[in-house]
Amino acid sequence: GEDVEQSLFLSVREGDSSVINCTYTDSSSTYLYWYKQEPGAGLQLLTYIFSNMDMKQDQRLTVLLNKKDKHLSLRIADTQTGDSAIYFCAESRPGGYQKVTFGTGTKLQVIP
Amino acid sequence: NAGVTQTPKFQVLKTGQSMTLQCAQDMNHNSMYWYRQDPGMGLRLIYYSASEGTTDKGEVPNGYNVSRLNKREFSLRLESAAPSQTSVYFCASRLTEDTQYFGPGTRLTVL
Repeated sequence: GEDVEQSLFLSVREGDSSVINCTYTDSSSTYLYWYKQEPGAGLQLLTYIFSNMDMKQDQRLTVLLNKKDKHLSLRIADTQTGDSAIYFCAESRPGGYQKVTFGTGTKLQVIP
Repeated sequence: NAGVTQTPKFQVLKTGQSMTLQCAQDMNHNSMYWYRQDPGMGLRLIYYSASEGTTDKGEVPNGYNVSRLNKREFSLRLESAAPSQTSVYFCASRLTEDTQYFGPGTRLTVL
């Protein structure tokens, strides 16, 4: 089956690094994504990684992909209060409509 | 360039009423999607449209219908609203694998 799992909650202190983890089940995933949702807003694509890569860095964000274990993580360096949000992991598979399956989201709370 | 727009932002319905949620995108994307977001369940795909003139069911299509009016617009209709349809509804559009854009959402309450 197709499943994407995340822990529900993470709390970190401002200035520390945050690591949000995600596991997925479908080995045919082509792209893996991280989205951010702020309160009352839609989802914003933060970054994505193609399945043949194992790491991608974009400013404070580092995405690590362990394809063997089907594990994806998002590291946010120097976490700020503005990073408080819900973070969704998602994966897409090849197909006529490129279906995207989302995880349940991890709520990141940044303590000043 | 407004991206993906949705109307209305909020709606309260009584059980059995009908309504249409509107979505439009100005990015010339082929694919459009309707999701619902419920607490602890992430986003679930209701319907999608891979291109103008085509629509297909997603994970949770029961109780909904859609229309891909043209390339820009993709509407979601609730014919007879039920309390189980209380949710936040998101429309999204997509051109390529990395470019899926979401609208701001419609918060629907069915009493």
